[in-house]
Amino acid sequence: DAGITQSPRHKVTETGTPVTLRCHQTENHRYMYWYRQDPGHGLRLIHYSYGVKDTDKGEVSDGYSVSRSKTEDFLLTLESATSSQTSVYFCAISESISLAYNEQFFGPGTRLTVL
Amino acid sequence: AQKVTQAQTEISVVEKEDVTLDCVYETRDTTYYLFWYKQPPSGELVFLIRRNSFDEQNEISGRYSWNFQKSTSSFNFTITASQVVDSAVYFCALSPGGYGGSQGNLIFGKGTKLSVKP
Repeated sequence: DAGITQSPRHKVTETGTPVTLRCHQTENHRYMYWYRQDPGHGLRLIHYSYGVKDTDKGEVSDGYSVSRSKTEDFLLTLESATSSQTSVYFCAISESISLAYNEQFFGPGTRLTVL
Repeated sequence: AQKVTQAQTEISVVEKEDVTLDCVYETRDTTYYLFWYKQPPSGELVFLIRRNSFDEQNEISGRYSWNFQKSTSSFNFTITASQVVDSAVYFCALSPGGYGGSQGNLIFGKGTKLSVKP
């Protein structure tokens, strides 16, 4: 199994509070991704990183920011959490941006509830 | 626009039945990549298979087989002699070809929940 951990695994917070989710990998992969999973939507890309301090937006980036100061860590921050951000968040990693001969490996997920 | 449609929201079968999960995709890219992932009740996402658009060979892995047909933009997944352990949500996903960051954006279908009863 790919060495990906996410913390916390579960979190309950209140509307308006800041929240940071952490993804940590031991595979030394260059590319890291944050997805959210919601019923009826599958998974959708929030942000991704193509190297230390290099990040870009995905499909559903509004209300989220990310940072990557080390190869192994990719942080997702909700500056002011809203109930619409209640979701399961997955981190993924890949060796290459092209998935021609690679795949994305996913972490165990973080279940976030915003009350 | 890129899109993946899994029309079957839920399927329920009895153990040992064969079951096919449908996946239809839309893309204007000539090069693209298709995936299946399994999400068991424990919640993690498990990679099952990748198929490149230039390789239409079907694939079999044990009880699992995949039928890729570009003519119908479909990438269907069949489980033969299903088992209770196959109970999970199965996602089909599309990765665009081309260049740049869009390649890494896996576009997922909404998933098909498969329940295999003993």
